[in-house]
Amino acid sequence: QKEVEQNSGPLSVPEGAIASLNCTYSDRVSQSFFWYRQYSGKSPELIMSIYSNGDKEDGRFTAQLNKASQYVSLLIRDSQPSDSATYLCAGRRRSNYQLIWGAGTKLIIKP
Amino acid sequence: KAGVTQTPRYLIKTRGQQVTLSCSPISGHRSVSWYQQTPGQGLQFLFEYFSETQRNKGNFPGRFSGRQFSNSRSEMNVSTLELGDSALYLCASSSGTADTEAFFGQGTRLTVV
Repeated sequence: QKEVEQNSGPLSVPEGAIASLNCTYSDRVSQSFFWYRQYSGKSPELIMSIYSNGDKEDGRFTAQLNKASQYVSLLIRDSQPSDSATYLCAGRRRSNYQLIWGAGTKLIIKP
Repeated sequence: KAGVTQTPRYLIKTRGQQVTLSCSPISGHRSVSWYQQTPGQGLQFLFEYFSETQRNKGNFPGRFSGRQFSNSRSEMNVSTLELGDSALYLCASSSGTADTEAFFGQGTRLTVV
């Protein structure tokens, strides 16, 4: 099992709808997660960090962590064309603190 | 607070040459990680330095090496460049402890001709 798994997409969502991005993780990964957004040709930018079970909201973004199911998600409300990007989730390996990355999900918001 | 600074931003080299890339992390951060990213691909982990020691290493050939100085600045070196080394090279700065996020520099785009 991969340590952090993420569907590479693409995920196509109409403008104004909710985009839902998901990752699963193994026992080898610490239960704190980070969501990054990467535009084509640019470096990843941290969007949100989540450390505890439940939801964390920041503007149009909500991160959700379910430790029992080993599942983390990012919801983007009122999706805009400018949200079109690749979204990466990451967590730290417990044994050596290395950041482990999902493959990234390409999100396309259709006007 | 200054962000992560990578230099140079762009570089063109010839096959067989070597190249050195630099990364200055956020003040107070002791960890610098390096990644290679080719078009349409995910982040490929090269190595991580923490307090001047290589703490983690990815699956890249020995042509790729790095080091970290006492001020936490890091350099990455690629010797005997190949066409396939053309990529965006990213460094990420963090405190390096459990449950901490990383912040990326703008990257160095290397083209090997």
